[in-house]
Amino acid sequence: GQNIDQPTEMTATEGAIVQINCTYQTSGFNGLFWYQQHAGEAPTFLSYNVLDGLEEKGRFSSFLSRSKGYSYLLLKELQMKDSASYLCAVSPGGGATNKLIFGTGTLLAVQP
Amino acid sequence: DSGVTQTPKHLITATGQRVTLRCSPRSGDLSVYWYQQSLDQGLQFLIHYYNGEERAKGNILERFSAQQFPDLHSELNLSSLELGDSALYFCASSLLQGTAVTDTQYFGPGTRLTVL
Repeated sequence: GQNIDQPTEMTATEGAIVQINCTYQTSGFNGLFWYQQHAGEAPTFLSYNVLDGLEEKGRFSSFLSRSKGYSYLLLKELQMKDSASYLCAVSPGGGATNKLIFGTGTLLAVQP
Repeated sequence: DSGVTQTPKHLITATGQRVTLRCSPRSGDLSVYWYQQSLDQGLQFLIHYYNGEERAKGNILERFSAQQFPDLHSELNLSSLELGDSALYFCASSLLQGTAVTDTQYFGPGTRLTVL
């Protein structure tokens, strides 16, 4: 089966750093994606990992360990606008599709 | 703005009815994916089309169907609607179909369906 786990909720303080973890068990692996979603809006792409290691993109970084089935999203210098749901998704590949399997999302609340 | 468009933004209808949701992919993208997001579940993959052909199906109900037209826009048809079909329906587009290399999917703004 396909299973992706991430914490349901997290709280952090403006200006701080927060790490959102994601573990996965999927039938295959073609890449792991992180999306940000504000309530009622479209998911927006943040980062993509296919090889082990850290990918840095401004205030956002994402890490992948394929052997451990583990990823994290690191958000630095938190701002109030970072309050949103963060979705971890895996492309299991196989066949002629890059469909995504999503976790249920981590709702991050940034407090002043 | 992702470049993916979806219409309508909101849809309110009654049980038993049929509706059609429309999606236009980003310019140059050949793949369209449909996802359902309800309150108690995360984003669930429904179906994938590439250049007019169906490529993969998820847990899509038999009451639901989709197609992709020659101009690459896609429609998701939902029939015999039930209360539990109320959800946000997103489409996403990408360039590739599905190979050893994956590519990024960009999401449209979604259609919020309410079944009364």
